Amino acid sequence: AQSVTQLDSHVSVSEGTPVLLRCNYSSSYSPSLFWYVQHPNKGLQLLLKYTSAATLVKGINGFEAEFKKSETSFHLTKPSAHMSDAAEYFCVVSEAGTASKLTFGTGTRLQVTL
Amino acid sequence: EAGVAQSPRYKIIEKRQSVAFWCNPISGHATLYWYQQILGQGPKLLIQFQNNGVVDDSQLPKDRFSAERLKGVDSTLKIQPAKLEDSAVYLCASTWGRGTNTEAFFGQGTRLTVV
Repeated sequence: AQSVTQLDSHVSVSEGTPVLLRCNYSSSYSPSLFWYVQHPNKGLQLLLKYTSAATLVKGINGFEAEFKKSETSFHLTKPSAHMSDAAEYFCVVSEAGTASKLTFGTGTRLQVTL
Repeated sequence: EAGVAQSPRYKIIEKRQSVAFWCNPISGHATLYWYQQILGQGPKLLIQFQNNGVVDDSQLPKDRFSAERLKGVDSTLKIQPAKLEDSAVYLCASTWGRGTNTEAFFGQGTRLTVV
């Protein structure tokens, strides 16, 4: 069985400071890992994905994530937060080789303050 | 390209009533998914279609939920009868294929409130 644990339900940062959203995963197989963002009243949007290639993955809007097998982690980072980054972020796992059976974490709400 | 379209955006019904949601995936996308997102939780897969066939419906409460994808394009999800715990956002997603390099595109969802 596969699962993800998002360690923080809510993260608050000041604009211009770094962002760290933490995610640990569990999978019986080599996993594919994703981060999705959900803005209010908008659909889920893919930020980035790891599919067994480079362990450091760069995504849209300056976000990146590093796959660490030894720590079973896939934390999302951004060097400098922007007000428009305020949203709900989901860490997602699926079995390698398939985009189906996505298992979502419970989400982390990112708040960005002035 | 046009995204995944869902309707209605919002629906309020009384318990024991019936409701249906509609999804039009991105043109050419063979795989279609319905997810349920309860407030404060991540989306949970209800059913997956490949063209007009069901690939996975293991988490679909079949005593009250049903879904179809006639002709392998549009899909409808029905709840009959609805319960209070069905209050959630119902998300439709589609992908071109089922491989790792395919991206799931999500619609804006239908927010269902059962009172």
